[in-house]
Amino acid sequence: GAVVSQHPSWVICKSGTSVKIECRSLDFQATTMFWYRQFPKQSLMLMATSNEGSKATYEQGVEKDKFLINHASLTLSTLTVTSAHPEDSSFYICSARGTGWTDTQYFGPGTRLTVL
Amino acid sequence: ILNVEQSPQSLHVQEGDSTNFTCSFPSSNFYALHWYRWETAKSPEALFVMTLNGDEKKKGRISATLNTKEGYSYLYIKGSQPEDSATYLCAFNQAGTALIFGKGTTLSVSS
Repeated sequence: GAVVSQHPSWVICKSGTSVKIECRSLDFQATTMFWYRQFPKQSLMLMATSNEGSKATYEQGVEKDKFLINHASLTLSTLTVTSAHPEDSSFYICSARGTGWTDTQYFGPGTRLTVL
Repeated sequence: ILNVEQSPQSLHVQEGDSTNFTCSFPSSNFYALHWYRWETAKSPEALFVMTLNGDEKKKGRISATLNTKEGYSYLYIKGSQPEDSATYLCAFNQAGTALIFGKGTTLSVSS
């Protein structure tokens, strides 16, 4: 099956620093990539959708200047949490998909971010 | 606000038991229903994508059914094994929209 990697798997940083998370589709070209966030005992919540070469589309309530998304190639998308604060501590997970809306989304293993 | 409900939240069964979970979703403008299995520290694994009312999918001991008119899907596991222990997520989307996930059902199978 299709494989999506995500790095790092966990990161601890100081408040005010920026953190970059990478999401790569290893064996297929991902037209669209998605970034989700999950708080404890909650469902995966979509943060943004990115199409290769285009600006990301952010969900309501997600600050685009705080969560910078770049999807420069068909195999790589990055999420940068800028000036992280403790309330940004969460589980971030990406997924990648081909061209159709019924196409399976393949997920990375996620990144646990802790901001001190 | 579109919402996906999964029940039960968690359950514990003995090895060999069969079990099933429910996923409820809005029936209007339905496009697709997805089931995933998510083991701790791993990536969610896609199980099924279903699009048509009455769809039934099967993968080994796991099967799923879909009723788009009433807005529910069932996931069945026959003869549960310890390796089936995981959180099972369902997600649905309308045409041209991203997946909306439920909170999942966490299954624990004891040997």
